[in-house]
Amino acid sequence: DIVMTQSPDSLAVSLGERATINCKSSQSVLYSSNNKNYLAWYQQKPGQPPKLLIYWASARESGVPDRFSGSESGTDFTLTISNLQAEDVAVYHCQQYYTTPYTFGQGTKLEIK
Amino acid sequence: EVQLVQSGAEMRKPGESLKISCKGSGYSFASSWIGWVRQMPGKGLEWMGIIYPGDSDAKYSPSFQGQVTFSVDKSISTAYLQWSSLKASDTAMYYCARLGRGSGLHRGFDYWGQGTLVTVSS
Repeated sequence: DIVMTQSPDSLAVSLGERATINCKSSQSVLYSSNNKNYLAWYQQKPGQPPKLLIYWASARESGVPDRFSGSESGTDFTLTISNLQAEDVAVYHCQQYYTTPYTFGQGTKLEIK
Repeated sequence: EVQLVQSGAEMRKPGESLKISCKGSGYSFASSWIGWVRQMPGKGLEWMGIIYPGDSDAKYSPSFQGQVTFSVDKSISTAYLQWSSLKASDTAMYYCARLGRGSGLHRGFDYWGQGTLVTVSS
């Protein structure tokens, strides 16, 4: 199985500042045929199901504010939230869907400082 | 509008069986994989597996293989997750989700059900 490791487990950021969450896969999730990393980011607020934010490592889902961005470098992936808003408080999960089982990271809890 | 609507919360005793459902609407149900995800209390997301409603092809996580069964009824656009003998450790929230496509390529779980809370206690 591909192991997804997120860091940090939790972080606190001031309103208006930038939050950075990392995710590392134990092996490549890059489909060579289309040059896309099969890596997604989800936001989960308390009492709600997860919501897709980013797919293919850096493509923003329709309706997601452009404050959210994803980037990649090999097997290292980053979710960046710029200009942090109070409504961004949530747990963020990465997931690879390159090969089954489509494993998730352990989650990162984002709070306001 | 795409929607996945799951059945309501369930309480069972250890050893009992259970089948929960996930009804899709607003899209071609048979043409998109449906996944199941477990979230134990206060914990992260665990991928249980996926099923393709078009032909009932299913892929299970090794962690859940033999412990649960996926099924579908295309005629009513509904996917099912079932247990034959529940354990207390099955207590969790269970989500169904659609594996979305963009430009013909998979792009993650783009729509999620609201979740079904399963509580197993004697």
